Amino acid sequence: DTEVTQTPKHLVMGMTNKKSLKCEQHMGHRAMYWYKQKAKKPPELMFVYSYEKLSINESVPSRFSPECPNSSLLNLHLHALQPEDSALYLCASSQAPQGAGISYEQYFGPGTRLTVT
Amino acid sequence: GQQLNQSPQSMFIQEGEDVSMNCTSSSIFNTWLWYKQDPGEGPVLLIALYKAGELTSNGRLTAQFGITRKDSFLNISASIPSDVGIYFCAGLGGGADGLTFGKGTHLIIQP
Repeated sequence: DTEVTQTPKHLVMGMTNKKSLKCEQHMGHRAMYWYKQKAKKPPELMFVYSYEKLSINESVPSRFSPECPNSSLLNLHLHALQPEDSALYLCASSQAPQGAGISYEQYFGPGTRLTVT
Repeated sequence: GQQLNQSPQSMFIQEGEDVSMNCTSSSIFNTWLWYKQDPGEGPVLLIALYKAGELTSNGRLTAQFGITRKDSFLNISASIPSDVGIYFCAGLGGGADGLTFGKGTHLIIQP
């Protein structure tokens, strides 16, 4: 089983709203990722969690706040977003974080289509 | 940052034709991955390559990890309508923790 689930599938929010995206995997993976994808572009890395700790923040604005409550769950809290933040938000997981000379393939969820009005 | 050059950007083919796309990089990667993405969905992993020179097949798909570790290709034989979508190459281990993606190849199958 290589399934990563994400909820909701679609989300429309105003610029003053607070919402959260959720991601779950039960593969025992210890690294989880958030990517942002604009139309006709490849995914762009936002955050990396390694063993439930934030290890990478790719200069993402503070209106995006990640959280990893346990090894199976990853949340992305949204607050005061801008219309340009509208995109497909993808969660991914891998067996472990990258190490010296070792890389693990990443499995993606179906994404949350976010529209900010 | 690192970049992967993926080509072609788009392909218009007839059903039954073979397809070939490739990625090149100025950096060395430990792992090359090929994903397919349908509209509104997340990327689905097709093939993972771990060793320079490795040639791996998955049904009608064949991919190779270049011997220099700076390139990879993906071939699809006897294309069918469900092969339509965007194919991304991605590299791991080039110094970044996340995937470095190519810009994608949009495969369109003409009736």
